[in-house]
Amino acid sequence: TQLLEQSPQFLSIQEGENLTVYCNSSSVFSSLQWYRQEPGEGPVLLVTVVTGGEVKKLKRLTFQFGDARKDSSLHITAAQPGDTGLYLCAGPKGGGADGLTFGKGTHLIIQP
Amino acid sequence: KAGVTQTPRYLIKTRGQQVTLSCSPISGHRSVSWYQQTPGQGLQFLFEYFSETQRNKGNFPGRFSGRQFSNSRSEMNVSTLELGDSALYLCASSSETGGGNTIYFGEGSWLTVV
Repeated sequence: TQLLEQSPQFLSIQEGENLTVYCNSSSVFSSLQWYRQEPGEGPVLLVTVVTGGEVKKLKRLTFQFGDARKDSSLHITAAQPGDTGLYLCAGPKGGGADGLTFGKGTHLIIQP
Repeated sequence: KAGVTQTPRYLIKTRGQQVTLSCSPISGHRSVSWYQQTPGQGLQFLFEYFSETQRNKGNFPGRFSGRQFSNSRSEMNVSTLELGDSALYLCASSSETGGGNTIYFGEGSWLTVV
C-alpha cells in the first residue's frame, strides 16, 4: 500500500503570510492531486500534477511535483481567511488497483 | 449540472443496527466510489463501482458492502454497526474508472453510532 504523509498536521497563521505544506511518500506516484475540504463539505479538487518537476499555479496557490514523483508541495502566497480548510493530497493506489489513497491532511487556519 | 448528492446528510444509529447510505452521481458519470473519513485515519477508500460492477475494495470488513444500480446510483450498507463506524461517509463520482481520473465528491453522510 502506498502511503502519503502530510506535514504539518496543523498550521495557524496570520492573514498576509506565506506558507508551504508538504506531501511525501516513499513510493512513486503516476500523479498526485490536491484537494481542499471545508467544514461540512466534501473535498474539492484543486489541481492534478502529473510530470516530475511540474509546477502549477492557481492564483495565489503554487503546486509542485517532485522530480522523482514521490513528493509534492503546496505554497500559498499572502494567505487569506478564505484559504482556511483541510488540504489533502491524494494519489492513485497503484498496482492496478482503483481508488485513491489520501494523506491525512493539513488543517490550515488563516486568522484575520 | 447537479453535483453528487448523498442522503441522508446526518443520522444516528445504535450499535448493532444496520444503515444504508445513498449516492446519486453527476449525470453521465458511471463510476461511483465510497470513502470513510475519520479524524484519526483520514480518508480511506471503501470500494468503487463502475457499470454496476464492483471494481475494487479497500481494507474494510465484510460488514461494509455496496451496490450500484443501472442508473449509476449507488448505495452502501454497513451491518452490525460498531462505535468505530462513526464517520463521514463520502461518495465520489467520475466519468470513467481508474485512479487517475478526476473525481467529484458529495457533501457526505455523517453517521454517529451510539
